[in-house]
Amino acid sequence: DGGITQSPKYLFRKEGQNVTLSCEQNLNHDAMYWYRQDPGQGLRLIYYSQIVNDFQKGDIAEGYSVSREKKESFPLTVTSAQKNPTAFYLCASSRRTGGGATSTDTQYFGPGTRLTVL
Amino acid sequence: AQSVAQPEDQVNVAEGNPLTVKCTYSVSGNPYLFWYVQYPNRGLQFLLKYITGDNLVKGSYGFEAEFNKSQTSFHLKKPSALVSDSALYFCAVRDRYGGATNKLIFGTGTLLAVQP
Repeated sequence: DGGITQSPKYLFRKEGQNVTLSCEQNLNHDAMYWYRQDPGQGLRLIYYSQIVNDFQKGDIAEGYSVSREKKESFPLTVTSAQKNPTAFYLCASSRRTGGGATSTDTQYFGPGTRLTVL
Repeated sequence: AQSVAQPEDQVNVAEGNPLTVKCTYSVSGNPYLFWYVQYPNRGLQFLLKYITGDNLVKGSYGFEAEFNKSQTSFHLKKPSALVSDSALYFCAVRDRYGGATNKLIFGTGTLLAVQP
């Protein structure tokens, strides 16, 4: 899991509550990503950020929000608008892709946070 | 549209036997291809990647993968399986010309079970 930490490892939330998942990296990576993992569905991209103070929606951004105020931190908030939030959430980081289109930067993953809505 | 297929939900192999975990992809142009491994309740660990050059890529823990452009495949292999190799394996692809997103498309995963 390298230099990427996620906390907490397990998180329980009541319906209607917002909850924030932490992701911190000390790899000096510019780019950070949030994925959601559900059984039998692989990983799906929620949000990504290539640089501080900038981020873009991924494939399933509805009901989620992020911020990127510091290079090493990329917290994810699961809002009450997310219809089915129970899942395993994975944060990743990589060196920033360059100006060209052929960057090969590998994404490295944190240990994950398992969110359960009660 | 880009996609990755891992046709087997589970692969069973006896310890000491060779193992293969299959992956096929669909992407326009030439892809970057990756394999990751996930142990229970853990994040994904990077195993290896194909960028260019030699079609046979060697990675961590004795794993290797062969890029076959004509068959659009990137199967993961290991000559001799260990019980400790039992885990969930993910294949991922990125469009070589995907721009600044560095977006990975993941397969649904293959559970490898190595019996002692």
